Amino acid sequence: AQKITQTQPGMFVQEKEAVTLDCTYDTSDPSYGLFWYKQPSSGEMIFLIYQGSYDQQNATEGRYSLNFQKARKSANLVISASQLGDSAMYFCAMRGDNTGGFKTIFGAGTRLFVKA
Amino acid sequence: DTGVSQDPRHKITKRGQNVTFRCDPISEHNRLYWYRQTLGQGPEFLTYFQNEAQLEKSRLLSDRFSAERPKGSFSTLEIQRTEQGDSAMYLCASSLEQGFPNEKLFFGSGTQLSVL
Repeated sequence: AQKITQTQPGMFVQEKEAVTLDCTYDTSDPSYGLFWYKQPSSGEMIFLIYQGSYDQQNATEGRYSLNFQKARKSANLVISASQLGDSAMYFCAMRGDNTGGFKTIFGAGTRLFVKA
Repeated sequence: DTGVSQDPRHKITKRGQNVTFRCDPISEHNRLYWYRQTLGQGPEFLTYFQNEAQLEKSRLLSDRFSAERPKGSFSTLEIQRTEQGDSAMYLCASSLEQGFPNEKLFFGSGTQLSVL
């Protein structure tokens, strides 16, 4: 079975500093995708970044980068130069193939607090 | 692109009543997903449609739950004989099939259900 684990219920970071949100996953699928989504207090989930299991380079999108370590089955999100607006819930997610049934599954999330 | 729209935003009902939620996906998106999210947790997959076909249902979706997407456009999720355990945020997401495994989901703001 597929599983996403986020072990940090809450994280604090000082404005303008970098922060790493941890994510480990478990799957037996040879091909899969890893995603990070942000959920502000308004409730709407927003896609941040994607990493394919066969991608050779770590994904980057602006201030977001994904530290992908396939052998360790980890896909940590790095946010550089944190801003007050980054305060939100962050969810790691995965989409596998046959064993996952093509659906996206989510971890329990990490709440990030950015301090001024 | 007006985004994914969900209606209502909030629903309060008494135990035993039936409720129906509506989701309007982004118009050109052929896939539509329903998720349930309880406080402090990540979204849990309920069901998904490709066009009008319901291709997968979670075991979480008991016989009291039914979802439809009659013309491959909007979708409805009905819960019959609601129970207090059904209280949650119900999220709808849509996507455009672009090949596996990269499938970016676009979420609505959700319907918050409270069963008294």
